[in-house]
Order: sequence, then structure tokens, then C-alpha cells
Amino acid sequence: KAGVTQTPRYLIKTRGQQVTLSCSPISGHRSVSWYQQTPGQGLQFLFEYFSETQRNKGNFPGRFSGRQFSNSRSEMNVSTLELGDSALYLCASSFGLRAREIRGYTFGSGTRLTVV
Amino acid sequence: AQSVTQLDSQVPVFEEAPVELRCNYSSSVSVYLFWYVQYPNQGLQLLLKYLSGSTLVKGINGFEAEFNKSQTSFHLRKPSVHISDTAEYFCAVSEPQGGSEKLVFGKGTKLTVNP
Repeated sequence: KAGVTQTPRYLIKTRGQQVTLSCSPISGHRSVSWYQQTPGQGLQFLFEYFSETQRNKGNFPGRFSGRQFSNSRSEMNVSTLELGDSALYLCASSFGLRAREIRGYTFGSGTRLTVV
Repeated sequence: AQSVTQLDSQVPVFEEAPVELRCNYSSSVSVYLFWYVQYPNQGLQLLLKYLSGSTLVKGINGFEAEFNKSQTSFHLRKPSVHISDTAEYFCAVSEPQGGSEKLVFGKGTKLTVNP
């Protein structure tokens, strides 16, 4: 079956702009989580959506937001981009929310965002 | 909040040598532990997981890990590495949050296998 698809793979934006990243989960998976990966901070949890509702949120400013559609596809948006937002943004999907469901936690290849 | 410490940021080894990548976690309660591998320009791939049961967990590509509750460790091992194992490896623990869980990752260990 198809894996987790993230688009675009690469993106270059200017400071102050906003950006939208997309994630299509594995068919049947209802939970989508987003992580930011940077050399300095490593992998940090952004937020999780399940059945179109945000279930968890990490310690990121309000400039970072997301949503999930009825087909489980998710988007994350970053407004007023800063240089420090340059990172690899990874999305992961799983069937459900409970710990055992993390067995099916599958990551996409990520979107590499560069802010100049 | 839980934390994960990967004691070595870089590990160079020769091909066919054994390797151990170390991971310690902070939680004193029941945890679920994971190792992921990331190849250049790719996402994370699950190597193995510990949810419960046997403390020795076998994963893909010949890797295994041992859960040690008393030492709060979950070290990853492979008896004989290949050039293709060159990648970055991440240890993670699940942390309950808001009726669900999130993964808390270590900083990663870059494994370089030299010929």
C-alpha cells in the first residue's frame, strides 16, 4: 500500500512569508502527527490530529497551525516565517491514538523548508 | 516530561564489526520504547519497538535491543554491520499526552560504517 506522502519535498521561502505543507496518510490511518527536525533541537512534536480534531499540541508558537480534512489528509501552516523555522518537517500517520497503535506509526519523507 | 539521552552523537565502526548504540530514558513508569533509522534525505523508519513482554527485542535488518528497566536503558545492537547501515539512529519513548501519546526523541546517533 502507498506510504505517507508529503508535498512539496523542498521549499524555499522568504522571512515574513507564510507556508502550507501537506501530508496524505496511509489509507485507513486516521491520526496524523507533525514533527519538526532541526540540527540543533532534533525532533520535536508539533501537533496531532485525529478525526479532524487537534488532540495534542507541542510547545510551538501560534504561528504554527494545522488542520485535518475528512479524508484524513492534513496540512500545517507556518505564518510570518523566521530564519529559525528552516527545518525538515515530518508527518507520521497511525491507525489510532492508543499506544499500541504506535506500532503503525509511519513517517513520510518530509518537507525540507528553507527560510532565507 | 520524559527525556531520552543518546550517549554518543557519532559512532564510527568498520564493516563486519559489532556495534552498540546507547539510549537512556528518564521515565520511572511503564514506557513504550522505539528505535528509528533515518537515511539521508528520507523520513524515519521503525527498526524495532518495546511495548511489553520479552526484554530482548528483535527488529529489521538484524538489529536487536534490550530493555533494562533498572538501568532505564534501551541499547541497540547489531553483531555485524554493513556499509548500508550507515545512517542516523533515533531512540524514542512514548509520552502520554491529552488522551494520546507523542514520541519524545533523543538527539540521534550517526553511525558510519567504514570499509
